[in-house]
Amino acid sequence: QKEVEQDPGPLSVPEGAIVSLNCTYSNSAFQYFMWYRQYSRKGPELLMYTYSSGNKEDGRFTAQVDKSSKYISLFIRDSQPSDSATYLCAAPGRTGRRALTFGSGTRLQVQP
Amino acid sequence: NAGVMQNPRHLVRRRGQEARLRCSPMKGHSHVYWYRQLPEEGLKFMVYLQKENIIDESGMPKERFSAEFPKEGPSILRIQQVVRGDSAAYFCASSPDIRSTEAFFGQGTRLTVV
Repeated sequence: QKEVEQDPGPLSVPEGAIVSLNCTYSNSAFQYFMWYRQYSRKGPELLMYTYSSGNKEDGRFTAQVDKSSKYISLFIRDSQPSDSATYLCAAPGRTGRRALTFGSGTRLQVQP
Repeated sequence: NAGVMQNPRHLVRRRGQEARLRCSPMKGHSHVYWYRQLPEEGLKFMVYLQKENIIDESGMPKERFSAEFPKEGPSILRIQQVVRGDSAAYFCASSPDIRSTEAFFGQGTRLTVV
């Protein structure tokens, strides 16, 4: 079982839609989670990170962690064509390990 | 403040040659991570270094791959005797210190082995 699993998509939505991106993880010891955005042929860019269960909001983006079900989500409100990218969830690879384990990424296409 | 700088951006090597990938972390950052991304796959951790020390190389292939982060100069990921399967995008990330959980990525080096 992979430590972090993510539906690869692609996910296509119309402009203005609410987007929901999801990951599951296997290690209950994970203490924080991150979402990165990666445009085609570019490096990943940190979008949000969260340390605990609950929601964290930043502009149009909301990150949600449900530790009981080992489920993390990223919601994008009022999606824009410029949001078209691959979204990667990440968590520490194992307790005490600083390097990140990434999901395989979900490709999002927002249609104008 | 310049971000993480990687060079070259694109590198073509013939099978059996050596590839050297360079990463200059953000100013003030002393922790460097290397990741590999195969087509249509997520990033896979390779190695974590601090200045002059390899901290975690659990993701590094046992043969042909090595990494260093000298006291002066960029971090280097070296791949000897490259094979077609080494073709991938290699990303470097840096963070400022042991307490920081944020890692900032460079634009990557795309290695093509022909």
